[in-house]
This record gives sequence, C-alpha cells and structure tokens, in this order.
Amino acid sequence: AQKVIQVWSTTSRQEGEKLTLDCSYKTSQVLYHLFWYKHLLSGEMVLLIRQMPSTIAIERSGRYSVVFQKSRKSISLVISTLQPDDSGKYFCALWEPNSAGNKLTFGIGTRVLVRP
Amino acid sequence: GALVYQYPRRTICKSGTSMRMECQAVGFQATSVAWYRQSPQKTFELIALSTVNSAIKYEQNFTQEKFPISHPNLSFSSMTVLNAYLEDRGLYLCGATTGDERLFFGHGTKLSVL
Repeated sequence: AQKVIQVWSTTSRQEGEKLTLDCSYKTSQVLYHLFWYKHLLSGEMVLLIRQMPSTIAIERSGRYSVVFQKSRKSISLVISTLQPDDSGKYFCALWEPNSAGNKLTFGIGTRVLVRP
Repeated sequence: GALVYQYPRRTICKSGTSMRMECQAVGFQATSVAWYRQSPQKTFELIALSTVNSAIKYEQNFTQEKFPISHPNLSFSSMTVLNAYLEDRGLYLCGATTGDERLFFGHGTKLSVL
C-alpha cells in the first residue's frame, strides 16, 4: 500500500493563478516530518518546504505555503501567483525515524505545467 | 552551503555489464547517505540507507549483491549497479544528510541499458 499519496499525476494552470497540490500519507509514527520537493529537468531535487510536528520551515522563499491537517494526515502545497518557472514535477515525501535510520518515502509526484 | 555532487550525470552501459556512480558531500558531514532509484513512470524508491560506522540497510527487492555500496567517510559514497539489465534503467539519486531530517540531493545519474 502506498504510504504517500499524490492523486494528480499531471496538472496545468495559467500564469498568475494559484495552485494547490494535495498529498496524504500513512504513518503510525508520532515524530515524522513531511517535505515538498521540486524535481527540475536538470535533475536537481530542490527542497521547498519542511513540515515538522509543530513547526514549519520554508526552505525556499517565495510563493510557497502549506495547508497541514495533521488529524487528516494531509499536507497540501500552495503556490500562489504561478509563473512559467514553476513548471516541474513536485514530490511530497514522508520522513519516518526507524531503528535503521531515517527513511524518506516519496509520493508518485505531480507534474505541473504553467501556461504563459 | 550544503551541496551534493553526483556523477556521472548520464551513463549508458551494455546489458550484463556494471556501472558505478559516486556521490560527494561538500560543506557538511554526510553521516547518512540514501540511494534512490526512479524507474520510468515510477516514483523514487529507496534502495538502501548507509550510515557511517553502521551496517548498510537495504530495502526489500534490493540487495547488496546487486547494488553494493561503499560509504568510507563523511563526504563520499558510491554505489555500483552490477550486471545491469533493462529493468535497472532509470534515474539514481543519492541523498545525504547531516543527521537532521533534511536530505540534500545530488543531480542524479541517469542510467540507460542497451
């Protein structure tokens, strides 16, 4: 069963619009973290947001925010005022501590196309 | 800042041969290195997690015999894909961490198998 679920594999929006990317997750851990990454065509994996149990770190300043609903195990990435440069693939990831070390599990990713 | 250099960026190997990829952490101490594979049309799957001075932990469906990993110090890790076949093609990504929850990723190694 998937631990990190991103429902939309592809989506497109017009420049200037707001985009919300949904992600839900499954975990029995108490101390877990959630991440949003953007995977660029160059291969670079850029960390955007780190959501900790009670605080959030915006790793890349800009137009990113999250809607975190812990009781529903849901975290959505919101990108406001879309620009063509926002096109790319966005991954939600769940970090869980375990005896073997930190484990990061990725969702399937959502490809975003921003039309000028 | 913390950077991870991964090389080669792209490689093509003949079916049945092996290839090695390397990951270099700059600006921080990589206490743990995770190796991921993204097969075509799939997400990133964890292959193994390597922590300095600990045994390397392989995920189900991945073995040391197929993907041997070396993590000799806090700045370097390498992984070899032995006897590569078509199902091994994809993007391999290394992620290094200082011990907090952030992983700093390399640019990936794209493996094609002929």
